[in-house]
Amino acid sequence: NAGVTQTPKFRVLKTGQSMTLLCAQDMNHEYMYWYRQDPGMGLRLIHYSVGEGTTAKGEVPDGYNVSRLKKQNFLLGLESAAPSQTSVYFCASALGRMQNTGELFFGEGSRLTVL
Amino acid sequence: SQKIEQNSEALNIQEGKTATLTCNYTNYSPAYLQWYRQDPGRGPVFLLLIRENEKEKRKERLKVTFDTTLKQSLFHITASQPADSATYLCALDENTGFQKLVFGTGTRLLVSP
Repeated sequence: NAGVTQTPKFRVLKTGQSMTLLCAQDMNHEYMYWYRQDPGMGLRLIHYSVGEGTTAKGEVPDGYNVSRLKKQNFLLGLESAAPSQTSVYFCASALGRMQNTGELFFGEGSRLTVL
Repeated sequence: SQKIEQNSEALNIQEGKTATLTCNYTNYSPAYLQWYRQDPGRGPVFLLLIRENEKEKRKERLKVTFDTTLKQSLFHITASQPADSATYLCALDENTGFQKLVFGTGTRLLVSP
């Protein structure tokens, strides 16, 4: 089992460009999350999903869109990248309703730089 | 406002000593709290969960306490080793019915030989 896989691991964008980060999990988890991590700010929740076809906003959703068309995948999109979106992005998954207090499994992160 | 606070300064200790990290929170009523370890360039890894009705939880050399009156959790590593050097994050659930964790900024632990 690969666990949670994020692609790409590194990306450099110019302001105004768009891109999509892909998160894939092979653990049949119901819940999936996108966080960003910045120095001194900790992990902040961008968007999350509690099941296939559902998404919801987290703490810092502006400038991002997400989709969960398949249970195993959670996509994070930046339509028009801004330098403020330079960050390390982490995807995580959790079992879901069957174990509502369970641990989050994190990917290795995607480092995005917007010039 | 809601806040989770962890000591932003690194904690330096000698090998063999007990490391104690603090997590304080305000304006949350979490049903449980979790601790994660994060190594440089890696994603966080789950260590322990403690529920609101539990005072203490242990796992090998790790011990977590949870005081809902003080709104504080303490994380202890006994007989610390250089391999324990990492950043430790506390996270609590917002108690919204869905599992949605809010993370502290983490405390970096450095264990010297």
